[in-house]
Order: sequence, then structure tokens, then C-alpha cells
Amino acid sequence: KNEVEQSPQNLTAQEGEFITINCSYSVGISALHWLQQHPGGGIVSLFMLSSGKKKHGRLIATINIQEKHSSLHITASHPRDSAVYICAVQKTSYDKVIFGPGTSLSVIP
Amino acid sequence: EPEVTQTPSHQVTQMGQEVILRCVPISNHLYFYWYRQILGQKVEFLVSFYNNEISEKSEIFDDQFSVERPDGSNFTLKIRSTKLEDSAMYFCASTLPGGWLHFGDGTRLSIL
Repeated sequence: KNEVEQSPQNLTAQEGEFITINCSYSVGISALHWLQQHPGGGIVSLFMLSSGKKKHGRLIATINIQEKHSSLHITASHPRDSAVYICAVQKTSYDKVIFGPGTSLSVIP
Repeated sequence: EPEVTQTPSHQVTQMGQEVILRCVPISNHLYFYWYRQILGQKVEFLVSFYNNEISEKSEIFDDQFSVERPDGSNFTLKIRSTKLEDSAMYFCASTLPGGWLHFGDGTRLSIL
């Protein structure tokens, strides 16, 4: 069983829509990361969470430690948001990151 | 803003040859990692490195692989005798304890 699962696997949205990507994990963690990977391949860190909620621009990330679940929301989606969004967890603050399978998002104008 | 740099961006090598992938982590970071991503698959952990030694390695990281931090700035991944299945994107990352992960742009390794 994978330690990190994401849903949906693929998502197509119209520009302006509110988007939610879900992540569930099965291990105890010190931090959860949301990452963005563009078609060129580079990976960019969006959020690092250990509790509660964080907001950066149109992106919001939440985590429920008891339920081992996190969500990434994108408000007023735009075609430039099209990318793969990856949830990843760390068991300790210096441990390797365990990656989820990613959610491929396509935002259509 | 400081960043992790990787070279080369694309490496094409004949099967059986040795390759060295290079990374320059962020200068004050303490933990260094190599990950790989086979086309169409998720990112997989290879190895973590701290205090000039390997702190953890995955099953993928067999005797064909080695890492070094020879001069306090570069962090290299060597594959001794490449196989077709080593074709992948290789990412270097660095961090401070409890800090954000910083990834390089990756090296695409193609084995012919």
C-alpha cells in the first residue's frame, strides 16, 4: 500500500473554477509538503504544513493531522496553474520526503 | 534567492558507461538528497546525505550508485555502469532541519 495517496489523479477545470486536490497518508509525520511540477520537470515547493491552514495568493493548504488528510485549494484558477501537484510527507524534520503520485491539473481558458 | 543548481540538464550515455550527475546545494544547507523520476511515474527517493555520510538509502540505491560531497559545495551522484532502466530525471534537493525543501531543475539521463 502506498504511504501517500492523492485524488483525483487527473483534473480538468475551466478558468475561474475553484479546485481542490486531496491527499491522504498512512504514516506519522512531522511535515507535509505541497509541490508543483511543471511540464519542463522542475519541482517547486508551495507549502510546508504541520498543522492548520496556510494561504499564499490564490493557493490554500489545509491539514488534519488526526485524520491524516490534507487538501490543496486553488481559487480563481488560471491556465498558468496547469501543472502536476504533488503531496509529500516527512516522518521527521530531516527525513527523506515520501512523494505521492501527483495530480495532473489542466485549466482550460 | 539562493537556489540548487544541477548540471548537466541533459545527459545521453551509452549503456554500461559511467555517469556523474552534479549538484550545488544551497550553501548553508545541511541535508542533501537525490531523487529520481522515471517518465510517467512518481518521484522516488534514492539517498540522503548528512555530515559527509549517507544517512539513508533506498533499495534502488545499489552498488552501482555512489554519492560524494568532495569539496563542501558540490554534491555528486555517480552511476558506475548504467543500464537502460536508469533512464530518468534525477533531482537533487537540499534543506535545513525543519525547513523547506529546495530542488534543482533536474538532470534528464537518457541511456542508449
